[in-house]
Amino acid sequence: DTAVSQTPKYLVTQMGNDKSIKCEQNLGHDTMYWYKQDSKKFLKIMFSYNNKELIINETVPNRFSPKSPDKAHLNLHINSLELGDSAVYFCASTSGGGQETQYFGPGTRLLVL
Amino acid sequence: SQKIEQNSEALNIQEGKTATLTCNYTNYSPAYLQWYRQDPGRGPVFLLLIRENEKEKRKERLKVTFDTTLKQSLFHITASQPADSATYLCALLSNSGYALNFGKGTSLLVTP
Repeated sequence: DTAVSQTPKYLVTQMGNDKSIKCEQNLGHDTMYWYKQDSKKFLKIMFSYNNKELIINETVPNRFSPKSPDKAHLNLHINSLELGDSAVYFCASTSGGGQETQYFGPGTRLLVL
Repeated sequence: SQKIEQNSEALNIQEGKTATLTCNYTNYSPAYLQWYRQDPGRGPVFLLLIRENEKEKRKERLKVTFDTTLKQSLFHITASQPADSATYLCALLSNSGYALNFGKGTSLLVTP
């Protein structure tokens, strides 16, 4: 019954590694997002995908790449992880291109050592 | 630049009192404003949306006001309970129209 799910919930890795975080929504929504919440709890938009097309990219380093195999999934790939990438990453979805309520996943807590 | 400002300090109130949280914004012309609740270790959860032509909106013990002249929204929780303790986030649609920008949130602690 989970509306927006993310895996893994926790991710601990070394600097320089490449990792992926997966997100799935079963709400039938058209738009999905990735947000980053840093240690100061500031929630910042990273990417938005609408019907499998990237429609915004908020000056995120190109080490981060979203990939959407279908409308229900939006995965986040991170290459060459850096210490500053440590944060909580939230996936979210909405039905109307950002103009409706957003439904968030539980978050993935990434720690880069 | 666009800014969304919320009280950065935590708000501590006694159970039964009314909690009032403030959201101020600059360089937005919002058609609507949203409030979310975030509990520790969880994702934000939508609470209320108020449109620019609505002065006030209510949902159970929650009340939101929206003053586009003052560029401010107030979020009220009446008869507050310890279970209301959480961080409350204000959100506005970005200029791109496809994503929300969030304030940093206000942490509310309701003590018995």
